[in-house]
Amino acid sequence: EVQLVESGGGLVKPGGSLRLSCTVSGFTFSSYTMHWVRQAPGKGLEWVSSISSRSGNIYYADSVKGRFTISRDNSKNSLYLQMNRLRAEDTAVYYCAKERGLWFGEFLYYFDYWGQGTLVTVSS
Amino acid sequence: SYELTQPPSVSVSPGQTARITCSADTLSKQYAYWYQQKPGQAPVLVIYKDTERPSGIPERFSGSSSGTTVTLTISGVQAEDEADYFCQSADSSANYVFGTGTKVTVL
Repeated sequence: EVQLVESGGGLVKPGGSLRLSCTVSGFTFSSYTMHWVRQAPGKGLEWVSSISSRSGNIYYADSVKGRFTISRDNSKNSLYLQMNRLRAEDTAVYYCAKERGLWFGEFLYYFDYWGQGTLVTVSS
Repeated sequence: SYELTQPPSVSVSPGQTARITCSADTLSKQYAYWYQQKPGQAPVLVIYKDTERPSGIPERFSGSSSGTTVTLTISGVQAEDEADYFCQSADSSANYVFGTGTKVTVL
Protein backbone atom coordinates (compact mmCIF):
# COMPACT_ATOMS: atom_id res chain seq x y z
CA GLU A 1 0.00 0.00 0.00
CA VAL A 2 1.33 3.41 -0.97
CA GLN A 3 1.61 5.84 1.92
CA LEU A 4 2.89 9.40 2.15
CA VAL A 5 3.06 10.94 5.61
CA GLU A 6 3.86 14.60 6.12
CA SER A 7 5.12 16.12 9.33
CA GLY A 8 6.68 19.30 10.62
CA GLY A 9 3.82 21.74 10.32
CA GLY A 10 2.88 24.17 13.05
CA LEU A 11 2.58 27.78 14.11
CA VAL A 12 5.44 30.11 13.20
CA LYS A 13 5.88 33.87 13.30
CA PRO A 14 6.29 35.92 10.14
CA GLY A 15 9.90 35.82 9.04
CA GLY A 16 10.45 32.49 10.72
CA SER A 17 11.43 29.11 9.34
CA LEU A 18 9.98 25.62 9.26
CA ARG A 19 11.05 22.32 7.75
CA LEU A 20 8.46 19.90 6.44
CA SER A 21 9.13 16.20 5.93
CA CYS A 22 7.32 13.56 3.95
CA THR A 23 8.11 9.91 4.50
CA VAL A 24 6.86 7.45 1.92
CA SER A 25 6.38 3.72 1.61
CA GLY A 26 4.84 1.25 -0.80
CA PHE A 27 6.70 2.31 -3.94
CA THR A 28 10.26 2.81 -5.16
CA PHE A 29 10.73 6.38 -3.97
CA SER A 30 14.04 6.86 -5.79
CA SER A 31 12.35 6.37 -9.18
CA TYR A 32 9.85 9.20 -9.05
CA THR A 33 9.60 12.95 -9.18
CA MET A 34 8.02 14.32 -6.03
CA HIS A 35 6.12 17.52 -5.34
CA TRP A 36 4.81 19.84 -2.67
CA VAL A 37 1.35 21.29 -3.22
CA ARG A 38 -0.37 23.66 -0.81
CA GLN A 39 -3.89 24.82 -0.09
CA ALA A 40 -4.67 27.98 1.84
CA PRO A 41 -7.74 27.79 4.08
CA GLY A 42 -10.87 27.79 1.94
CA LYS A 43 -8.85 28.23 -1.25
CA GLY A 44 -7.73 26.15 -4.19
CA LEU A 45 -4.67 24.02 -4.79
CA GLU A 46 -1.34 25.66 -5.57
CA TRP A 47 1.71 23.80 -6.83
CA VAL A 48 4.78 24.78 -4.79
CA SER A 49 7.84 22.82 -5.86
CA SER A 50 9.09 19.65 -7.50
CA ILE A 51 12.25 17.57 -7.42
CA SER A 52 13.23 14.86 -9.86
CA SER A 53 14.15 11.35 -8.81
CA ARG A 54 17.87 12.03 -8.35
CA SER A 55 17.50 15.72 -7.49
CA GLY A 56 18.83 16.81 -10.87
CA ASN A 57 15.82 18.99 -11.72
CA ILE A 58 14.28 21.27 -9.14
CA TYR A 59 11.55 23.82 -9.75
CA TYR A 60 9.65 26.33 -7.67
CA ALA A 61 6.56 28.45 -7.97
CA ASP A 62 7.36 32.14 -8.28
CA SER A 63 5.58 32.76 -4.97
CA VAL A 64 8.18 30.76 -3.01
CA LYS A 65 11.31 31.06 -5.15
CA GLY A 66 14.29 32.18 -3.08
CA ARG A 67 12.59 31.36 0.22
CA PHE A 68 11.79 27.63 0.02
CA THR A 69 14.16 24.76 -0.71
CA ILE A 70 13.04 21.28 -1.71
CA SER A 71 15.27 18.27 -1.16
CA ARG A 72 15.09 14.51 -0.81
CA ASP A 73 16.99 11.63 0.73
CA ASN A 74 16.39 8.50 -1.29
CA SER A 75 18.13 6.35 1.31
CA LYS A 76 15.49 7.43 3.82
CA ASN A 77 12.50 7.49 1.45
CA SER A 78 11.98 11.08 2.49
CA LEU A 79 11.11 14.40 0.90
CA TYR A 80 11.69 17.76 2.55
CA LEU A 81 10.67 21.39 2.22
CA GLN A 82 12.74 23.99 4.03
CA MET A 83 10.66 27.14 4.34
CA ASN A 84 12.41 30.40 5.29
CA ARG A 85 11.23 34.00 5.57
CA LEU A 86 7.68 32.81 6.01
CA ARG A 87 4.79 35.17 5.33
CA ALA A 88 1.16 35.18 6.38
CA GLU A 89 0.21 34.19 2.83
CA ASP A 90 2.19 30.95 3.21
CA THR A 91 -0.45 29.74 5.68
CA ALA A 92 -1.82 26.54 4.16
CA VAL A 93 -2.06 22.80 4.33
CA TYR A 94 1.02 21.42 2.62
CA TYR A 95 0.71 18.13 0.77
CA CYS A 96 3.47 15.99 -0.62
CA ALA A 97 2.51 14.21 -3.80
CA LYS A 98 4.00 11.62 -6.11
CA GLU A 99 4.07 12.27 -9.82
CA ARG A 100 2.87 9.53 -12.16
CA GLY A 101 5.84 10.07 -14.48
CA LEU A 102 6.70 7.70 -17.31
CA TRP A 103 3.75 5.48 -18.17
CA PHE A 104 3.94 3.17 -21.18
CA GLY A 105 6.46 5.41 -22.91
CA GLU A 106 4.64 8.65 -22.18
CA PHE A 107 5.31 11.19 -19.45
CA LEU A 108 2.19 11.98 -17.48
CA TYR A 109 2.38 15.03 -15.28
CA TYR A 110 -0.24 14.30 -12.65
CA PHE A 111 -0.26 13.37 -9.00
CA ASP A 112 -1.35 9.82 -8.36
CA TYR A 113 -0.74 9.67 -4.62
CA TRP A 114 -1.02 12.35 -1.94
CA GLY A 115 -0.26 12.59 1.73
CA GLN A 116 -2.84 13.71 4.25
CA GLY A 117 -1.25 17.14 4.54
CA THR A 118 0.34 19.16 7.33
CA LEU A 119 -0.90 22.59 8.39
CA VAL A 120 1.47 25.54 8.45
CA THR A 121 0.19 28.68 10.13
CA VAL A 122 2.18 31.89 9.87
CA SER A 123 0.94 34.40 12.41
CA SER A 124 2.25 36.69 15.11
CA SER B 1 2.34 30.82 -16.51
CA TYR B 2 -1.28 30.31 -17.45
CA GLU B 3 -4.66 29.88 -15.76
CA LEU B 4 -7.19 27.09 -15.88
CA THR B 5 -10.68 28.54 -15.57
CA GLN B 6 -13.52 26.62 -13.92
CA PRO B 7 -17.00 27.72 -12.84
CA PRO B 8 -17.06 28.38 -9.07
CA SER B 9 -20.06 26.17 -8.45
CA VAL B 10 -22.40 23.65 -9.98
CA SER B 11 -25.63 22.48 -8.39
CA VAL B 12 -27.38 19.29 -9.39
CA SER B 13 -30.18 17.06 -8.11
CA PRO B 14 -29.48 13.43 -7.26
CA GLY B 15 -29.58 11.23 -10.33
CA GLN B 16 -29.00 14.12 -12.70
CA THR B 17 -25.83 14.96 -14.64
CA ALA B 18 -23.20 17.45 -13.52
CA ARG B 19 -20.80 18.95 -16.02
CA ILE B 20 -17.72 20.92 -14.98
CA THR B 21 -15.63 22.74 -17.55
CA CYS B 22 -11.99 23.76 -17.47
CA SER B 23 -10.62 26.14 -20.07
CA ALA B 24 -7.20 27.37 -21.21
CA ASP B 25 -5.47 27.73 -24.55
CA THR B 26 -2.81 25.23 -23.47
CA LEU B 27 -5.38 22.44 -23.11
CA SER B 28 -5.36 22.00 -26.87
CA LYS B 29 -1.78 20.75 -26.51
CA GLN B 30 -1.58 19.34 -22.98
CA TYR B 31 -3.51 16.71 -21.10
CA ALA B 32 -5.91 17.63 -18.32
CA TYR B 33 -6.39 15.76 -15.09
CA TRP B 34 -9.25 15.98 -12.59
CA TYR B 35 -9.23 15.62 -8.81
CA GLN B 36 -12.05 15.32 -6.31
CA GLN B 37 -11.53 16.77 -2.86
CA LYS B 38 -13.86 16.33 0.08
CA PRO B 39 -13.61 18.52 3.20
CA GLY B 40 -10.58 17.75 5.31
CA GLN B 41 -9.24 15.21 2.83
CA ALA B 42 -6.47 15.11 0.27
CA PRO B 43 -7.39 15.31 -3.42
CA VAL B 44 -8.16 12.08 -5.25
CA LEU B 45 -7.55 11.62 -8.98
CA VAL B 46 -10.75 10.84 -10.87
CA ILE B 47 -9.71 11.38 -14.52
CA TYR B 48 -6.30 11.40 -16.23
CA LYS B 49 -5.22 12.05 -19.83
CA ASP B 50 -8.44 13.98 -20.46
CA THR B 51 -10.68 10.91 -20.60
CA GLU B 52 -9.15 7.99 -18.71
CA ARG B 53 -10.60 6.78 -15.43
CA PRO B 54 -8.30 5.27 -12.77
CA SER B 55 -9.19 1.93 -11.31
CA GLY B 56 -11.57 2.24 -8.41
CA ILE B 57 -13.28 5.37 -9.73
CA PRO B 58 -16.99 4.81 -10.48
CA GLU B 59 -18.07 4.66 -14.12
CA ARG B 60 -20.33 7.67 -13.62
CA PHE B 61 -17.21 9.85 -13.80
CA SER B 62 -16.08 10.60 -17.34
CA GLY B 63 -13.96 13.18 -19.11
CA SER B 64 -13.98 14.75 -22.53
CA SER B 65 -11.95 17.28 -24.46
CA SER B 66 -12.73 19.72 -27.22
CA GLY B 67 -10.19 22.28 -28.31
CA THR B 68 -9.25 24.45 -25.37
CA THR B 69 -11.93 23.11 -23.01
CA VAL B 70 -12.07 19.88 -21.07
CA THR B 71 -15.15 18.67 -19.25
CA LEU B 72 -15.68 16.41 -16.27
CA THR B 73 -19.09 14.76 -16.35
CA ILE B 74 -20.72 13.03 -13.41
CA SER B 75 -23.69 11.01 -14.61
CA GLY B 76 -26.34 9.95 -12.13
CA VAL B 77 -24.93 12.15 -9.38
CA GLN B 78 -25.01 10.73 -5.88
CA ALA B 79 -24.91 12.54 -2.56
CA GLU B 80 -21.36 11.26 -2.00
CA ASP B 81 -20.20 13.17 -5.09
CA GLU B 82 -20.64 16.48 -3.31
CA ALA B 83 -17.11 17.86 -3.22
CA ASP B 84 -14.69 20.33 -4.76
CA TYR B 85 -13.28 19.40 -8.15
CA PHE B 86 -10.02 20.73 -9.59
CA CYS B 87 -8.59 20.34 -13.05
CA GLN B 88 -4.82 20.33 -13.50
CA SER B 89 -2.39 20.46 -16.36
CA ALA B 90 1.35 20.64 -16.82
CA ASP B 91 4.08 20.68 -19.39
CA SER B 92 7.61 19.33 -19.60
CA SER B 93 8.97 22.67 -18.38
CA ALA B 94 7.49 22.09 -14.92
CA ASN B 95 4.58 24.48 -15.37
CA TYR B 96 2.12 22.71 -13.09
CA VAL B 97 -1.18 24.52 -12.83
CA PHE B 98 -4.43 23.78 -11.03
CA GLY B 99 -7.81 25.10 -12.01
CA THR B 100 -9.69 27.54 -9.83
CA GLY B 101 -11.92 24.78 -8.49
CA THR B 102 -15.62 23.99 -8.71
CA LYS B 103 -17.85 23.20 -5.76
CA VAL B 104 -20.43 20.59 -6.67
CA THR B 105 -23.55 20.75 -4.53
CA VAL B 106 -26.06 17.92 -4.59
CA LEU B 107 -29.47 19.42 -3.90
